[in-house]
Amino acid sequence: GAGVSQSPSNKVTEKGKDVELRCDPISGHTALYWYRQSLGQGLEFLIYFQGNSAPDKSGLPSDRFSAERTGGSVSTLTIQRTQQEDSAVYLCASSVGLAEYNEQFFGPGTRLTVL
Amino acid sequence: KNQVEQSPQSLIILEGKNCTLQCNYTVSPFSNLRWYKQDTGRGPVSLTIMTFSENTKSNGRYTATLDADTKQSSLHITASQLSDSASYICVVSERGSQGNLIFGKGTKLSVKP
Repeated sequence: GAGVSQSPSNKVTEKGKDVELRCDPISGHTALYWYRQSLGQGLEFLIYFQGNSAPDKSGLPSDRFSAERTGGSVSTLTIQRTQQEDSAVYLCASSVGLAEYNEQFFGPGTRLTVL
Repeated sequence: KNQVEQSPQSLIILEGKNCTLQCNYTVSPFSNLRWYKQDTGRGPVSLTIMTFSENTKSNGRYTATLDADTKQSSLHITASQLSDSASYICVVSERGSQGNLIFGKGTKLSVKP
């Protein structure tokens, strides 16, 4: 595709339910990043992938959060037993290489609301 | 602690006027600094990226400056347009971090006719 796509664009769920967020990076981009943007806050790093491996999971806020990437392309971010504080916009970005040196391209985000 | 602070938090200007947004950071060791524009409901889009050795970079009506000694950056917008209304985010990369970028909270700019 022309850019990074994310689905769903909006997700409303009840507290305690599991949710799965999807990211399709730009074709050929080996690095993929997940961020969380809470209202009035800056983007918070969650996890990044280089290919299929995730060298840095330090940003995941709890063990309810997990992510995987298969085939070096699509990634899913799973939140188990959602809590109200998980409500935020979840952004995905990809880059041709590590983001320290390369431009990141962001998707439109998934707005998650936990009731 | 690595931090990026932006000011002002919000700004309202009239169409056609210029404005300057500020960014101070404490990230060390420094790799590069970026400015992003984020329209409401969209992901951020890169405007400029500057390394340690660069002190100014332009992208159309946007000009970013960097003073690595004082750890300050500014984004100057010339002849503002209504479409410039957005949040402008300063992002600093720590050398060797491999990708954990540090984001400021952004300045929300509103351009009024």
